[in-house]
Amino acid sequence: GEDVEQSLFLSVREGDSSVINCTYTDSSSTYLYWYKQEPGAGLQLLTYIFSNMDMKQDQRLTVLLNKKDKHLSLRIADTQTGDSAIYFCAEGGDSWGKFQFGAGTQVVVTP
Amino acid sequence: GAVVSQHPSRVICKSGTSVKIECRSLDFQATTMFWYRQFPKQSLMLMATSNEGSKATYEQGVEKDKFLINHASLTLSTLTVTSAHPEDSSFYICSARGRDSSYNEQFFGPGTRLTVL
Repeated sequence: GEDVEQSLFLSVREGDSSVINCTYTDSSSTYLYWYKQEPGAGLQLLTYIFSNMDMKQDQRLTVLLNKKDKHLSLRIADTQTGDSAIYFCAEGGDSWGKFQFGAGTQVVVTP
Repeated sequence: GAVVSQHPSRVICKSGTSVKIECRSLDFQATTMFWYRQFPKQSLMLMATSNEGSKATYEQGVEKDKFLINHASLTLSTLTVTSAHPEDSSFYICSARGRDSSYNEQFFGPGTRLTVL
């Protein structure tokens, strides 16, 4: 199975909060990341968290990290239609800098 | 800052031909570049890692003679799909990591859609 797992789909109403969850297996990852991919485009880094942190807030984004359970979440407050995209979590930080991506969560924001 | 470009954005070729995709870091020196392949509605699959001036390291199951990677300078890496076949049709994405990366971030290019007829 995959080393990084995510739920595949999330539907949310505009203005509500979105929560995307991710579990990973490599406890030695130095950083964990959230990337956003819009249709036909590459990946855009949204935020990252250092592995010794529990939480990071960046404007509408809140990242929670539970190292014990190897669980990472991304909360988007006041979700907008422009937030519709696929969100990937990734773990990384080995000596090569290689990332392991989850399968991506498609977020659909409805009016 | 930290922009990565890819060229071309889309390419259609006949089966049996070779296609070259370029990945450039526009405003930083990319000591390491990564090449990924993404199938529809799936995650990114790492194909290979290349460091400037070194041979690329390929992931298990990726044919190095078919997917030729060259990282000739700190701002340019190329992926050549040789003797392309329809099953090579995919979205190819490169990423780059700079020398001074403070949190090991990879900056991604916009991707290249390859269609092999």
